[in-house]
Amino acid sequence: KNQVEQSPQSLIILEGKNCTLQCNYTVSPFSNLRWYKQDTGRGPVSLTIMTFSENTKSNGRYTATLDADTKQSSLHITASQLSDSASYICVVSADFGNEKLTFGTGTRLTIIP
Amino acid sequence: KAGVTQTPRYLIKTRGQQVTLSCSPISGHRSVSWYQQTPGQGLQFLFEYFSETQRNKGNFPGRFSGRQFSNSRSEMNVSTLELGDSALYLCASSYGLAGGPQDEQYFGPGTRLTVT
Repeated sequence: KNQVEQSPQSLIILEGKNCTLQCNYTVSPFSNLRWYKQDTGRGPVSLTIMTFSENTKSNGRYTATLDADTKQSSLHITASQLSDSASYICVVSADFGNEKLTFGTGTRLTIIP
Repeated sequence: KAGVTQTPRYLIKTRGQQVTLSCSPISGHRSVSWYQQTPGQGLQFLFEYFSETQRNKGNFPGRFSGRQFSNSRSEMNVSTLELGDSALYLCASSYGLAGGPQDEQYFGPGTRLTVT
């Protein structure tokens, strides 16, 4: 069964600090990995999409890395802002099969001033 | 370009009733996927429709059903509601099948369903 695990479950950091969120997966055959940001009461918004051949991708202050050998990904947030407070969800897509998309349960990030 | 819209945004129903939720995808998108989100389980895939055909189905009972119309709008129906069906129901649209490496999925704001 495909699985995606995220850590930590929740994180509180001071505004301006950096942080890193982790995602480990067992999804086969792997197609791509996505990070989403979900503000409270809203739908998720895509931050990055990475395929097997990509090991890093940036979107502003967000940088995602992918190690397909160890099946791990991380999302690094630089110089955090209050608006970064949200849940961050890792989603891994398989090439085929009924379990096409497997979602992690997310990391709840809170930025305090 | 208008985003994904979902109606209604909030809904309160009682056990045993049925409910229909609606999703209008981004213009030109052919795939609509539905998800259930609860605090304990995170996002769980319900089903995906592409060009009016159900392409994938998650692990939910038959009380959950859906359909897609020729204009790509989709509806989701839940019959014989149970307390555990209380959740945020999200739909997402994409041009191609969900999960493809080139296909961005855009989510709607969700419908918050409360079953009492």
